[in-house]
Parts: sequence; structure tokens; C-alpha cells
Amino acid sequence: DTAVSQTPKYLVTQMGNDKSIKCEQNLGHDTMYWYKQDSKKFLKIMFSYNNKELIINETVPNRFSPKSPDKAHLNLHINSLELGDSAVYFCASSQAASGRFWYEQYFGPGTRLTVT
Amino acid sequence: SQQGEEDPQALSIQEGENATMNCSYKTSINNLQWYRQNSGRGLVHLILIRSNEREKHSGRLRVTLDTSKKSSSLLITASRAADTASYFCATDTGANSKLTFGKGITLSVRP
Repeated sequence: DTAVSQTPKYLVTQMGNDKSIKCEQNLGHDTMYWYKQDSKKFLKIMFSYNNKELIINETVPNRFSPKSPDKAHLNLHINSLELGDSAVYFCASSQAASGRFWYEQYFGPGTRLTVT
Repeated sequence: SQQGEEDPQALSIQEGENATMNCSYKTSINNLQWYRQNSGRGLVHLILIRSNEREKHSGRLRVTLDTSKKSSSLLITASRAADTASYFCATDTGANSKLTFGKGITLSVRP
């Protein structure tokens, strides 16, 4: 049983296109995240939602727009794709933060985006 | 700037040996977490240590935390070829409610 799933696993597209990546978790978690991992494996948080509410919005181009239809889903839409957007995108989820304490995160398998 | 910095960047050992990986960070933390990433896969949570804890064990894993030195170490005992992966430390500072990851350590365990 997959805990955090992402689709698609691979995405190859041309510059200027618009694409979406979907994420679903069946862990009953309240918080979901999007991360970007570059070619050097550096992992950087992009967005976080808690119960469908945006709580983290890092310095990300506004071509990236997350959407959370319910607390089990967090999708990422990217407009006008650029070469620099090529990376692996990971979705993750965790229990909601308790005060200042955050719990371990569960990651999806990743979506490798290649922009040509 | 980077919060967590792992050391070394790459480590190659023989199966059966112990592997020690270090992580240093800059600002005060609520907790520190270690994750493993196998090639082409997502990250898997290994262990979480809170700022008021000094040592934690989980199977063949031992994590220590020294808040005075702002550093943590992950020890994998009796390594196996299956331990070959990248290992990341991640810190929760409570600031902006986010987890900040280091650049990772590539561990190769030779059979």
C-alpha cells in the first residue's frame, strides 16, 4: 500500500509548456509539502499546506502554483516551463505541527521533470 | 545559507565496517532528523532526535546530538551493501515551520 504517491514518475516536456504533478497521501496526515531536488541532490522546500491552507511559500517563481483540494491531495502546477525547472520534485506529508515541533516526513517516489 | 552541512560528502567502506556521518548546523534547533535516499527513490525517515536528547538508537543506527557544538552524528554499525544510499540530515528550527535539509552524504558499502 503506497503511503505517498505521485504521478507522473517521469515528465519530459518542452520549454514554455504548462504541466501538473499530482500527489496523494493515505496516511491521514494534515500537512503536505513540495520539495525540489536539483542535480546535486540539494533538496529545497517549495510549499507546505496544513489542512488545505498554505503555510510555507518559499521564494519560488509564481509560475509554480500549488493546489490542495483536500488534505490528502496536493498538486503542483507549473506554467511556462523553463530549462532550469528540470529537477526531481518530491511530495511529502507529515502529522500537523505540534506547537514548535514538527514530525518526521514521508516522501513520495518523486517526479523527474526534464524540460527540453 | 545552508542550515545543515554533512561531512564527509562521500564515504566508501567495506561491508561489515561501521560508517560514521556528521552533520553541523548553524542555528538553534527543535529537532534534527536523518533520512536515507536510495538511488532514484524518495527519502525515507530514519531517526529523529530532539534538542533535549543526546543519543538515540534504532536497530543498527545510533544518532548523537551535541547542541553546544551544533552537530550530530549518524553511526551505522555492521554495514551492509543495502545501506548504500545518500544520507541527509534535516533540522527543524521552528522558524517558518520548515525542515531544512543538508546536501547529503553518499555512502557506498562494498560487498
